[in-house]
Amino acid sequence: GAVVSQHPSRVICKSGTSVKIECRSLDFQATTMFWYRQFPKQSLMLMATSNEGSKATYEQGVEKDKFLINHASLTLSTLTVTSAHPEDSSFYICSVAGAGGELFFGEGSRLTVL
Amino acid sequence: AQSVSQHNHHVILSEAASLELGCNYSYGGTVNLFWYVQYPGQHLQLLLKYFSGDPLVKGIKGFEAEFIKSKFSFNLRKPSVQWSDTAEYFCAVNARLFGNEKLTFGTGTRLTIIP
Repeated sequence: GAVVSQHPSRVICKSGTSVKIECRSLDFQATTMFWYRQFPKQSLMLMATSNEGSKATYEQGVEKDKFLINHASLTLSTLTVTSAHPEDSSFYICSVAGAGGELFFGEGSRLTVL
Repeated sequence: AQSVSQHNHHVILSEAASLELGCNYSYGGTVNLFWYVQYPGQHLQLLLKYFSGDPLVKGIKGFEAEFIKSKFSFNLRKPSVQWSDTAEYFCAVNARLFGNEKLTFGTGTRLTIIP
């Protein structure tokens, strides 16, 4: 399966700052990557689908100006949380779809906004 | 829209006990079904998947799941659990109509195995 790496694994920032999270597909060229958000003791919620070379597709209720997604190459997608607030604190996970239809997940990035 | 229900939020078992975790979904069309596991401090990993064919699917580490279409269920089972099975388990579903990649996850079941 695909190997997916996220960086940073943990980030703490002050309210009002922007944070960038990177997602790399290490051994697989991914035209599509997916960004999920997971609240404590809750399920994973799909935020957006990141498409290489084009605009991301956001799920209903997700602010595209708040969560900027860039998929500039077949191996890298970035999620930028702009003007972060405490309610944005969460676990952000990216994934890549394999040839068999299953998803391969990164380790996740825990964001804490003070 | 599709949805997934996992009714067991936290299950505690002793080693060697048998395991069954429930998963029900709501969608009237053709679905792909998955079970993922998240061990403490690790990322999500695929346990098993069902696309078509034999409704009894065998996965890694001795896990299996049975797709019962009439009950909209895809329960996960293991005849004898080990301490190392302590983890969070997520059932996921996607509808082929929307493409294979867009998964809807259940809320997860935390499994704790007591040595």
